[in-house]
Amino acid sequence: GQNIDQPTEMTATEGAIVQINCTYQTSGFNGLFWYQQHAGEAPTFLSYNVLDGLEEKGRFSSFLSRSKGYSYLLLKELQMKDSASYLCAVTDSNYQLIWGAGTKLIIKP
Amino acid sequence: ETGVTQTPRHLVMGMTNKKSLKCEQHLGHNAMYWYKQSAKKPLELMFVYNFKEQTENNSVPSRFSPECPNSSHLFLHLHTLQPEDSALYLCASSQRQGEAYEQYFGPGTRLTVT
Repeated sequence: GQNIDQPTEMTATEGAIVQINCTYQTSGFNGLFWYQQHAGEAPTFLSYNVLDGLEEKGRFSSFLSRSKGYSYLLLKELQMKDSASYLCAVTDSNYQLIWGAGTKLIIKP
Repeated sequence: ETGVTQTPRHLVMGMTNKKSLKCEQHLGHNAMYWYKQSAKKPLELMFVYNFKEQTENNSVPSRFSPECPNSSHLFLHLHTLQPEDSALYLCASSQRQGEAYEQYFGPGTRLTVT
């Protein structure tokens, strides 16, 4: 079957760095997405990786290793507004999005 | 309005009621999606429409009935629901299905079945 694993919850301190991991086992691979979802709001797109390596976008970076079926989202200089759930999703060989259950990130002052 | 809108934002209905959820996208996209989001579970894809044609129906019970009259509008008709159908229902759109385009989500309808 197809499976996406990510930690259920993480806690970090304002101003620090946090890494949210995602491992996947899917039928084929056509890219990996990260979305941010604040409580009671819609998920919003953060990043897309299809090639191995690190993509940097401001305070957020996303890394992909296709051979290991692994990605992480790195958040630097954490702010209170970064408290949210972070969803990992993989596009399989049929271009269907397979979603993880999300990681709830709690930022403490 | 811009982006993806959904109405109503909150809905409480009895098990014998009939109601409809509405989604509208102002992005010029050709694919639209219905998802169910329950606490601590992955997003569950329910239906997909690509250029107004239904392309996915992921074993969704018949008490959920989608309708896509054009590329900008999507409805989810609900009847004789069960309490376990209580969840957040999200609509999304993308340029088209079949390639790795990012999806844009609406704010969702929080549905409670009593």
